[in-house]
Amino acid sequence: SQQGEEDPQALSIQEGENATMNCSYKTSINNLQWYRQNSGRGLVHLILIRSNEREKHSGRLRVTLDTSKKSSSLLITASRAADTASYFCATDDFNKFYFGSGTKLNVKP
Amino acid sequence: DTAVSQTPKYLVTQMGNDKSIKCEQNLGHDTMYWYKQDSKKFLKIMFSYNNKELIINETVPNRFSPKSPDKAHLNLHINSLELGDSAVYFCASSQGGEEKLFFGSGTQLSVL
Repeated sequence: SQQGEEDPQALSIQEGENATMNCSYKTSINNLQWYRQNSGRGLVHLILIRSNEREKHSGRLRVTLDTSKKSSSLLITASRAADTASYFCATDDFNKFYFGSGTKLNVKP
Repeated sequence: DTAVSQTPKYLVTQMGNDKSIKCEQNLGHDTMYWYKQDSKKFLKIMFSYNNKELIINETVPNRFSPKSPDKAHLNLHINSLELGDSAVYFCASSQGGEEKLFFGSGTQLSVL
């Protein structure tokens, strides 16, 4: 199937440390997006990277994309307790957005 | 103002019942979606409507029937509820060309 698969499933770090999450997918894509889901809430869009881009930054977020390996990574620098959430990658296929089961990030104060 | 709102937030019901979940977006988007998130947090697309027309139906049982009375509303009716329907259902919307999704806060459905 086309959904992204995030890795690791869970990540626990101390406040101030960096957090890296990975996403792998199986088919060609137009773009890849990352979303955050706080407990009991809907997903919130974080960043979009197009298939012809290799790296993108937004504040403390850095996303890379390697289309040859069909993988992406999300780096959150200088993490804060408020970053505690689940993070999902989503790949698109003509208005269909495919998600995985996310990486659950716990940032300890 | 909430951009994508869905009601109810919680729904507890017995097997065999019929229930509906409603969704409204005030973003002026053309496309709306229903997603199902299971207990392992896996998020799966169910349906998508563009300007009231069904464009995606991801092999969902026909007990699930979406209805879009206008492009700002997308409701989900579920007949003969089964235990396996227990999940969190998310409504989302997007505007063609912008690609990113805006999600509602979810409806947690528990079938007993």
